[in-house]
Amino acid sequence: KAGVTQTPRYLIKTRGQQVTLSCSPISGHRSVSWYQQTPGQGLQFLFEYFSETQRNKGNFPGRFSGRQFSNSRSEMNVSTLELGDSALYLCASRGGSDQPQHFGDGTRLSIL
Amino acid sequence: GEDVEQSLFLSVREGDSSVINCTYTDSSSTYLYWYKQEPGAGLQLLTYIFSNMDMKQDQRLTVLLNKKDKHLSLRIADTQTGDSAIYFCAESGKIYNQGGKLIFGQGTELSVKP
Repeated sequence: KAGVTQTPRYLIKTRGQQVTLSCSPISGHRSVSWYQQTPGQGLQFLFEYFSETQRNKGNFPGRFSGRQFSNSRSEMNVSTLELGDSALYLCASRGGSDQPQHFGDGTRLSIL
Repeated sequence: GEDVEQSLFLSVREGDSSVINCTYTDSSSTYLYWYKQEPGAGLQLLTYIFSNMDMKQDQRLTVLLNKKDKHLSLRIADTQTGDSAIYFCAESGKIYNQGGKLIFGQGTELSVKP
């Protein structure tokens, strides 16, 4: 079974631009969660999607948004990029509420 | 509130046992997890324990849970240089989050010296 796939692996943007990151969950998994990892703040939860609906949301500004498609693939979007948005963005999927989250290798976003 | 604490560094000799400790605050967490992160990679699930268990063993890994003290530990037997990585403890958070929101510790960097 293929794992969680995130694309692209690396991305360089400039301040003020917007970016879309993609996540394909493990086949059969309907829950997708997103996390931001930075040296200063560590791993922080962004949001979770289940059956195309946002089920949980972390404490991030409205510039961070996401969506999930009917095939469970998910995208997250960050608008008006700031230098502080430079981070590793991780996506995780799971097969049920009593199942663990499995992570992809992340997208490393650098803002110049 | 929700908080998970870990020590930042641990150094051991190859062949020794490693013990990584974690404390958490949310007593309603259903599951507690250990993840491993190697440089340039995502998080690899190592093991997890249900909150009504005290211990779980999986090959070289032993997880101990003390619910009264909200203390979780991961013991790695016969530690190898390939075990060098950052280890994260995580809790599943408030029950109404249905486990979709993990709360992570800062990570413990394990260095294994030959």
